[in-house]
Amino acid sequence: GAVVSQHPSRVICKSGTSVKIECRSLDFQATTMFWYRQFPKQSLMLMATSNEGSKATYEQGVEKDKFLINHASLTLSTLTVTSAHPEDSSFYICSAERTGGFVETQYFGPGTRLLVL
Amino acid sequence: EDQVTQSPEALRLQEGESSSLNCSYTVSGLRGLFWYRQDPGKGPEFLFTLYSAGEEKEKERLKATLTKKESFLHITAPKPEDSATYLCAVPRSEKLVFGKGTKLTVNP
Repeated sequence: GAVVSQHPSRVICKSGTSVKIECRSLDFQATTMFWYRQFPKQSLMLMATSNEGSKATYEQGVEKDKFLINHASLTLSTLTVTSAHPEDSSFYICSAERTGGFVETQYFGPGTRLLVL
Repeated sequence: EDQVTQSPEALRLQEGESSSLNCSYTVSGLRGLFWYRQDPGKGPEFLFTLYSAGEEKEKERLKATLTKKESFLHITAPKPEDSATYLCAVPRSEKLVFGKGTKLTVNP
């Protein structure tokens, strides 16, 4: 199968600090990775598309200076929440796109629960 | 605009009681339809990709089918461990358009 990991799985931080979340594709290379946010009992909300070696593409309403994305290799993308505030508390999920079939398939990580105090 | 609608929003079954979940879509030029399973506090787990009308795929107690307008996820003799939210999604450009999901609860 296709395995995607995220680290950390859970993080608590103080308001005003920055938090970095890592997303790794463990057994395949991913030119494209995605970052989602999910609020309780709601569906996934795409935040940004991350392409290896280029700038991320952010969805409308997502602050690119607040949610910094780096995709430095074909197996690693990072999301940094800068100057985090309580309203940034959420469940963040990444996915990595696996190509080679008739259609590209996204495989998701286990998610990172962020709590900002 | 591409839309994906799942029904019902929630479904409660007794163990062994088979049923189906529905995913209807309006997409121009469908390139595939995905089914995922999401457990509470976890990321979605890939289940199936269906590419064309008439296609069927099976995995354990799950069978996914696809028509030109909708997809069904059939659950045969479900067990409590099948309890989860089931999401369907279609690709649009390089993104996925998700339905809101069906929360399935299987009681022992």
